[in-house]
Amino acid sequence: DTAVSQTPKYLVTQMGNDKSIKCEQNLGHDTMYWYKQDSKKFLKIMFSYNNKELIINETVPNRFSPKSPDKAHLNLHINSLELGDSAVYFCASSQAINSYNSPLHFGNGTRLTVT
Amino acid sequence: AQSVAQPEDQVNVAEGNPLTVKCTYSVSGNPYLFWYVQYPNRGLQFLLKYITGDNLVKGSYGFEAEFNKSQTSFHLKKPSALVSDSALYFCAVRDTNYQLIWGAGTKLIIKP
Repeated sequence: DTAVSQTPKYLVTQMGNDKSIKCEQNLGHDTMYWYKQDSKKFLKIMFSYNNKELIINETVPNRFSPKSPDKAHLNLHINSLELGDSAVYFCASSQAINSYNSPLHFGNGTRLTVT
Repeated sequence: AQSVAQPEDQVNVAEGNPLTVKCTYSVSGNPYLFWYVQYPNRGLQFLLKYITGDNLVKGSYGFEAEFNKSQTSFHLKKPSALVSDSALYFCAVRDTNYQLIWGAGTKLIIKP
């Protein structure tokens, strides 16, 4: 069973379009995250949610809007896509937001290409 | 400032030789350290962590890491490298707000 699953795996779209990426975890974790990995493989946190509440909102354009309908799901909607949004987006989860020793569990990523 | 450094962009090792991937950190308070591996077109996988206790931590796939407080290091090691160990390795540390600070990653290439 896949612990953290995100769809789609690949997303190719044109500038200006709106797209969504979905994420689900079946680990019973309280906390979920969205990360962006750029072409140089740097990881940058975008958002984190704890029990459906937004905890971290890093400096991300407001074209990016996360939504958490329940603690097992965290979706990412992106409006007015730009070339610079091309990257791999990872969803992750962990047991609790205030735990020092909980590792993150990652999905396999969504490769977004904006043309 | 709290930070993680992986000084090597790439490490090349012959199969069967020991490998080391370096990581140093700077954090306020006690360090909570992690290593993750990323295979091509996959998400990151947790390898091992240091929380407290024994300075030598054992993890998945035969990897281990040595915590050195005086050198603020947490180097990843394996006694005998496999070609299948070729991947991207990330070191991370929890900051005082529980957030993970990530290193830039080290590409490990194991040559047959």
